[in-house]
Amino acid sequence: QKEVEQDPGPLSVPEGAIVSLNCTYSNSAFQYFMWYRQYSRKGPELLMYTYSSGNKEDGRFTAQVDKSSKYISLFIRDSQPSDSATYLCAMSDSWGKFQFGAGTQVVVTP
Amino acid sequence: DTEVTQTPKHLVMGMTNKKSLKCEQHMGHRAMYWYKQKAKKPPELMFVYSYEKLSINESVPSRFSPECPNSSLLNLHLHALQPEDSALYLCASSQRDIGDQPQHFGDGTRLSIL
Repeated sequence: QKEVEQDPGPLSVPEGAIVSLNCTYSNSAFQYFMWYRQYSRKGPELLMYTYSSGNKEDGRFTAQVDKSSKYISLFIRDSQPSDSATYLCAMSDSWGKFQFGAGTQVVVTP
Repeated sequence: DTEVTQTPKHLVMGMTNKKSLKCEQHMGHRAMYWYKQKAKKPPELMFVYSYEKLSINESVPSRFSPECPNSSLLNLHLHALQPEDSALYLCASSQRDIGDQPQHFGDGTRLSIL
């Protein structure tokens, strides 16, 4: 069983819809949670970073962490075609153990 | 533009060639990382340098040789690579030590082995 599970998609949504992405994990030592966006032929770009349970909002992006359920989510409001990319969740413990999810390909259609 | 700069962006080399990949960051970060990413897969960790010392080597073949000449610069020396080594090679950095997050990534070097 993988430590981090993420549905690879693809996830196709119409422009303006809410994109909902999630990851589950099994390692209770993970305490840092990140979402990266990766466009084709580019490196991962950090979107959201949090180290506690609860919600964090940044513009159209909201990250949620539920440590009791070992579940993290990313919501993208008012999605645009430019949001079409692969979204990677990532998490880490305090000692440097770092794990990516498989990545979810998102396609926003005009 | 990212704050982690990687050169070259593209590299094509034969199996007998020797080449190097370069990574530079000027954010004062003290941990630097090399990752390998194959198509439609997440990045896989290869090496971690912490305060210019090699901290983690994820059982990478010796044909890949990392070097950290100073706190801003990270190199990956390549020799006698195989076609399966063709991939996107990503560099990342984080502020303090290897347990520190988040990591910031460069745009990578796309490597093709003939």
